[in-house]
Amino acid sequence: EAQVTQNPRYLITVTGKKLTVTCSQNMNHEYMSWYRQDPGLGLRQIYYSMNVEVTDKGDVPEGYKVSRKEKRNFPLILESPSPNQTSLYFCASSFTGMVNTEAFFGQGTRLTVV
Amino acid sequence: DQQVKQNSPSLSVQEGRISILNCDYTNSMFDYFLWYKKYPAEGPTFLISISSIKDKNEDGRFTVFLNKSAKHLSLHIVPSQPGDSAVYFCASRDNYGQNFVFGPGTRLSVLP
Repeated sequence: EAQVTQNPRYLITVTGKKLTVTCSQNMNHEYMSWYRQDPGLGLRQIYYSMNVEVTDKGDVPEGYKVSRKEKRNFPLILESPSPNQTSLYFCASSFTGMVNTEAFFGQGTRLTVV
Repeated sequence: DQQVKQNSPSLSVQEGRISILNCDYTNSMFDYFLWYKKYPAEGPTFLISISSIKDKNEDGRFTVFLNKSAKHLSLHIVPSQPGDSAVYFCASRDNYGQNFVFGPGTRLSVLP
């Protein structure tokens, strides 16, 4: 089954404790991206990657890091989480270079930083 | 500056009536437009799309209209059903098949 898998689904952590949210896709997509969803602000892009070892900042990259060492995985890293990073996070993937294709989303990770 | 705008944060419609969700974009390089639907506690799911070479695309109860000169698209749901209650995101992609850009979403409530 084609899917984007995020882990964990729920996470509560304390300020400053490094964490990683994993994202994996099994569709051989080149494009992967991270979004955060906040009330009234919709989906805002954090980082995206057009292929292995190619990443770029989205609209709200501050406080986040990503890496793309393999095509299927695109982890989101919070080196020193702060309460303003409490949010609902989504990973997405798609083919690159093909306009008429949609992005597939994971189920989401609800992060609370206390 | 927001490249994809959905100016109505919420919309309420009676069951059986038409729901019209609007979206405006600013980037003339956008060539492909998508609508996503999101239920609580789930990821967004693809609903319907339209290429800039068309002005209308229909899939069952869902129709998307594109007015490229006005940089405006709309999603029509006819007839609306309570199960359509969700947040709807408008999105676009440029003609190089690069990044997706999403609007802020419109929360649709279909009242029985």
